[in-house]
Amino acid sequence: QVQLVQSGAEVKKPGASVKVSCKASGYTFTNYDINWVRQAPGQGLEWMGWMNPNSGNTNYAQKFQGRFTITRNTSITTAYMEMSSLGSEDTAVYYCARGQRFCTGGNCYSTWFDYWGQGTLVTASS
Amino acid sequence: EIVLTQSPATLSLSPGERATLSCRANESVGSYLAWYQQKPGQAPRLLIYDAVTRATGIPARFSGSGSGTDFTLSISSLEPEDFAVYYCQQRSNWPPVFPFGPGTKVDIK
Repeated sequence: QVQLVQSGAEVKKPGASVKVSCKASGYTFTNYDINWVRQAPGQGLEWMGWMNPNSGNTNYAQKFQGRFTITRNTSITTAYMEMSSLGSEDTAVYYCARGQRFCTGGNCYSTWFDYWGQGTLVTASS
Repeated sequence: EIVLTQSPATLSLSPGERATLSCRANESVGSYLAWYQQKPGQAPRLLIYDAVTRATGIPARFSGSGSGTDFTLSISSLEPEDFAVYYCQQRSNWPPVFPFGPGTKVDIK
């Protein structure tokens, strides 16, 4: 069965960096996209960024350009979200989510998020 | 930039009642809209995609409608497990972006 298993909770000092992992299993890792979604305490969902694990291509929401980097290691079917210069505003649960693809006319487009990881709480606090 | 708004922010209903949730885009998104359900402490779950198609395993009491800028998620008869927060989401072909709306909380009256 499809599973996305994320790494455990992190507590970091402001200014530090953190790398959250998302281990995929139960499907061909390179055939689906990976997205990252943030949810601050008591707040809604924010889409952060997208990656095609086959090509390594990424795209980020404007708000998350610069300090946030999505990468992958296809040999171990794992995606990563690395965040630098953490501030208190980055305290949130971070989710990875599998993105379906729709292909037509020789082009493929990333679509909806059908499987999600369990979430990783990142706390930035002194 | 496409912005999604959802109304109402909170919907207070009783089990068995019909729920109607709205999602509006500031410009046309065609049928590129999805709905997700999130319960406390859980990851979101895909309910409806392409505005009207139920995801695998989603009960028939959930239905989606709309196109262009105005979309609706309907729950025909609320079950106890349906009390949750619902988010709409839009997508674009290229570059891939997937913004969410602010959410509607459906709580027990």
